[in-house]
Amino acid sequence: DTGVSQDPRHKITKRGQNVTFRCDPISEHNRLYWYRQTLGQGPEFLTYFQNEAQLEKSRLLSDRFSAERPKGSFSTLEIQRTEQGDSAMYLCASSLMDHGSYNEQFFGPGTRLTVL
Amino acid sequence: AQSVTQLDSQVPVFEEAPVELRCNYSSSVSVYLFWYVQYPNQGLQLLLKYLSGSTLVKGINGFEAEFNKSQTSFHLRKPSVHISDTAEYFCAVSGTSYGKLTFGQGTILTVHP
Repeated sequence: DTGVSQDPRHKITKRGQNVTFRCDPISEHNRLYWYRQTLGQGPEFLTYFQNEAQLEKSRLLSDRFSAERPKGSFSTLEIQRTEQGDSAMYLCASSLMDHGSYNEQFFGPGTRLTVL
Repeated sequence: AQSVTQLDSQVPVFEEAPVELRCNYSSSVSVYLFWYVQYPNQGLQLLLKYLSGSTLVKGINGFEAEFNKSQTSFHLRKPSVHISDTAEYFCAVSGTSYGKLTFGQGTILTVHP
């Protein structure tokens, strides 16, 4: 099965530390999305890429957050100077962009971040 | 801008009973509607989608949903649930067939024996 993978699955860190998450999309998919899901809420859109270009960023993505997709394949999401409010599940999804048809987003299992 | 409201945060039901999970949306443009399921410690899985055409859409695992434009609703139904249907269900909307998704708050479906 070559679905979307995320690493690590769990991360516990202390407030003020930096963390980085990785997402590997399905190999031929050119679109990659990041969402954040806090306890008791649905996922919220953070940002997305088409190939290596970051096309949209949510207002939720503060200056402490940065995402990259350097070669249009895997992506990283870095959070600097973590705060307790950053504790959440970070979900990655990928899709194959094709204007002629529906582009289903396939989700990874997520990275659960706990900031102490 | 779009928004989604799932009217029930938790729905308990007995095995083999029918179930309906309610979803209302708001949007200023044409919408594409989705239901996703999330099992514990797993990612989201697409159950079904409405893009256009017939307002009754069928998905995996015996689920179906009906798009009602006048009531701006997209309720999910299953005539007979199983224990294995216990999970959290999310309704979502997108303004395009390839864009970002806006999710509701989720409904936890618990099927009791």
